[in-house]
Amino acid sequence: GAVVSQHPSWVICKSGTSVKIECRSLDFQATTMFWYRQFPKQSLMLMATSNEGSKATYEQGVEKDKFLINHASLTLSTLTVTSAHPEDSSFYICSAPRGRGHRQPQHFGDGTRLSIL
Amino acid sequence: ILNVEQSPQSLHVQEGDSTNFTCSFPSSNFYALHWYRWETAKSPEALFVMTLNGDEKKKGRISATLNTKEGYSYLYIKGSQPEDSATYLCAFLDSNYQLIWGAGTKLIIKP
Repeated sequence: GAVVSQHPSWVICKSGTSVKIECRSLDFQATTMFWYRQFPKQSLMLMATSNEGSKATYEQGVEKDKFLINHASLTLSTLTVTSAHPEDSSFYICSAPRGRGHRQPQHFGDGTRLSIL
Repeated sequence: ILNVEQSPQSLHVQEGDSTNFTCSFPSSNFYALHWYRWETAKSPEALFVMTLNGDEKKKGRISATLNTKEGYSYLYIKGSQPEDSATYLCAFLDSNYQLIWGAGTKLIIKP
């Protein structure tokens, strides 16, 4: 069964709306979670690393004020796309490693397809 | 700039045939290589985590090899079945714990 839950799976909203996406680890604690974006016909692009109890680490070119990340507990990270515009329409997916050690494989949520009108 | 390349981009294989595809990655600062299978309408699922040069891992009809000195890994599927249709992603983990993803190989099995 799923070990990482992502919600919502699909969002359609008007330009200027802020959208919050949740990523939960279901039966393990995740001090670190990762947020990705996938453009059509391209690979996963790491946006940021979410760290429990501290600030997220953003990849180069990702606007931290645009994509707000909060990791308030050991099982929940949220990504808020603030004042979303059509160019923010994309597929967003989160992952978390289960267990200690950097070599642990990632467990993914089901992703969120965001469409901004 | 760290780059991970997968080839081919897509592949059509007859059911029952065996196939393989490649993940190329930097040959320095290696820490681990991950393989994932991403089926349509599902989330990516981890297949293998490979860490040692010369490593070979197997899961049913799927196996993978690793050459860290030359910077490549092969994924093999023996006797392809329709359920093997998916995008196969590799991800390179460097010694700074940075995970870099390839673009994937989309495998389509023809019945």
